[in-house]
Amino acid sequence: EAAVTQSPRNKVAVTGGKVTLSCNQTNNHNNMYWYRQDTGHGLRLIHYSYGAGSTEKGDIPDGYKASRPSQENFSLILELATPSQTSVYFCASGVLGTSAETLYFGSGTRLTVL
Amino acid sequence: GMPVEQNPPALSLYEGADSGLRCNFSTTMKSVQWFQQNHRGRLITLFYLAQGTKENGRLKSTFNSKERYSTLHIKDAQLEDSGTYFCAAEAIGGYKVVFGSGTRLLVSP
Repeated sequence: EAAVTQSPRNKVAVTGGKVTLSCNQTNNHNNMYWYRQDTGHGLRLIHYSYGAGSTEKGDIPDGYKASRPSQENFSLILELATPSQTSVYFCASGVLGTSAETLYFGSGTRLTVL
Repeated sequence: GMPVEQNPPALSLYEGADSGLRCNFSTTMKSVQWFQQNHRGRLITLFYLAQGTKENGRLKSTFNSKERYSTLHIKDAQLEDSGTYFCAAEAIGGYKVVFGSGTRLLVSP
């Protein structure tokens, strides 16, 4: 069973502070993704990666950075957090491009920026 | 417009009813997945399709890349089917997966 672990589960940050959301997957998947989920928008892609050392901009990358230091880890970084970044963030990993394609999701991180 | 349009945004069913959800794509997609988000927020993969139709129990999904749509059909709805359902499509030639805005399903006794 594929495992994607996000930390922390909940986070409260102050405006202007730095926030790092972490994601770890233990299934050797090439691709990893960060989404945010907001009412009325579904899940929107922030950044993604197709391997260690690579990061790509998704649909809403402004205000976010990503880091993929290894196959297993993919971090989302908010250098200067703003209240508009209050949301639930999901990390996912997958092996798109093969016959066994699917995405596996973490449990989500609820971020509140005050 | 949005690359993935999902309808309806909300759906109420009684137990035992059948219904369907639909996603339309603004461009040709390589594959589609359907997810259920449960009351705890966890996303569960239901189907992955590169073409055609798949069935799993009371659920059936179809993907027509040429006609740019996918459907999820729920048969004999049960209380535990309540939740939010998302389709997600992968664009041809890239690694991006884009989600629809979701369908909130409520199944009542």
